[in-house]
Amino acid sequence: NAGVMQNPRHLVRRRGQEARLRCSPMKGHSHVYWYRQLPEEGLKFMVYLQKENIIDESGMPKERFSAEFPKEGPSILRIQQVVRGDSAAYFCASSLNTDYEQYFGPGTRLTVT
Amino acid sequence: KNEVEQSPQNLTAQEGEFITINCSYSVGISALHWLQQHPGGGIVSLFMLSSGKKKHGRLIATINIQEKHSSLHITASHPRDSAVYICAVRSGETSGSRLTFGEGTQLTVNP
Repeated sequence: NAGVMQNPRHLVRRRGQEARLRCSPMKGHSHVYWYRQLPEEGLKFMVYLQKENIIDESGMPKERFSAEFPKEGPSILRIQQVVRGDSAAYFCASSLNTDYEQYFGPGTRLTVT
Repeated sequence: KNEVEQSPQNLTAQEGEFITINCSYSVGISALHWLQQHPGGGIVSLFMLSSGKKKHGRLIATINIQEKHSSLHITASHPRDSAVYICAVRSGETSGSRLTFGEGTQLTVNP
């Protein structure tokens, strides 16, 4: 049973470009969470999704960031018009249900040049 | 003040020592997680607990709900235990699956 998959593992974007980060949850998991870890900082919640629904996006920046978890395919975190401050590690986690343990992916390290 | 406070921030130990990392939180929670982040950046879930004590190998996690405090213990520490250990709480509120994280404890175990 494969774990949580994230790709790409490393992503370099120039300022103003778009970044798309993908997360495939563990098999059977329909709950996905995105977290961000800025350099030298702790992890921060961004968004919580279930299939086709955003449950809690209170940690998402109001502009340029969006997330989806379609019926088929991976969850996508999209950052439009990236800025240097978006450089961070973005982790995805999945769980079987709301109160279950969350399993983390390896992360995507985004570097904005 | 952060909702989740960990201590110490940094910890250096000699191989074989008993290690304790503490976590205090200020909100009502439905569960507390202990995570390990390796030098390469990957995150592994060690424990999820809502009461009492759990043990896995050389690792032991305890929680005291009344005192809003949890501890992670490592017995017979080894250099491969060197990592950042992160405490995270899950709120008991409606949209309560989100985790709130402590700043982490950097553990270095010297041979």
